[in-house]
Amino acid sequence: GQQLNQSPQSMFIQEGEDVSMNCTSSSIFNTWLWYKQEPGEGPVLLIALYKAGELTSNGRLTAQFGITRKDSFLNISASIPSDVGIYFCAGSSGTYKYIFGTGTRLKVLA
Amino acid sequence: DGGITQSPKYLFRKEGQNVTLSCEQNLNHDAMYWYRQDPGQGLRLIYYSQIVNDFQKGDIAEGYSVSREKKESFPLTVTSAQKNPTAFYLCASSMGRSYTFGSGTRLTVV
Repeated sequence: GQQLNQSPQSMFIQEGEDVSMNCTSSSIFNTWLWYKQEPGEGPVLLIALYKAGELTSNGRLTAQFGITRKDSFLNISASIPSDVGIYFCAGSSGTYKYIFGTGTRLKVLA
Repeated sequence: DGGITQSPKYLFRKEGQNVTLSCEQNLNHDAMYWYRQDPGQGLRLIYYSQIVNDFQKGDIAEGYSVSREKKESFPLTVTSAQKNPTAFYLCASSMGRSYTFGSGTRLTVV
């Protein structure tokens, strides 16, 4: 099945640094979602994007819906240890099915 | 509070046995989904259901079965035909642009 290309696959960063990750697709999407998953738990929705060019923030997190509608970006500013986890993007073209990225594993060094 | 409940959190199965994973939601969502997640991997769609009494195969349906007799419930049966069932299983539900995950069931074959 199709999966989105998410990069980087993993990141080790120092506490206080900013983080950037992105997802790209060969298909045009109408909705982009960004999730965080902690070990042994289900993904939790961080940010939802519904319009090309849209820029949305949730605390230290900012996500953007790419103008081409084939990509999306997530930034985390001033990272803290509890930001550790796997970040997933998901895109939908308007059907019931979402396609998920392969995940970015973030580790924060104190 | 509305949400999705998956049970049990941990499940052990002997080879050759069928086991059923429970997923219940009180969000009044129309669509429900089952995903499989292997260590260090993304999410792979097993089955999904858009309405009661109807469901479709996802990307990796072989060895699994589902039912959707009630809007609130979407149980997944892992059959003995599934040769490598040890994984983390996630249930999700959606309506419109809202897409919510449960906290997962970890299945281990012993």
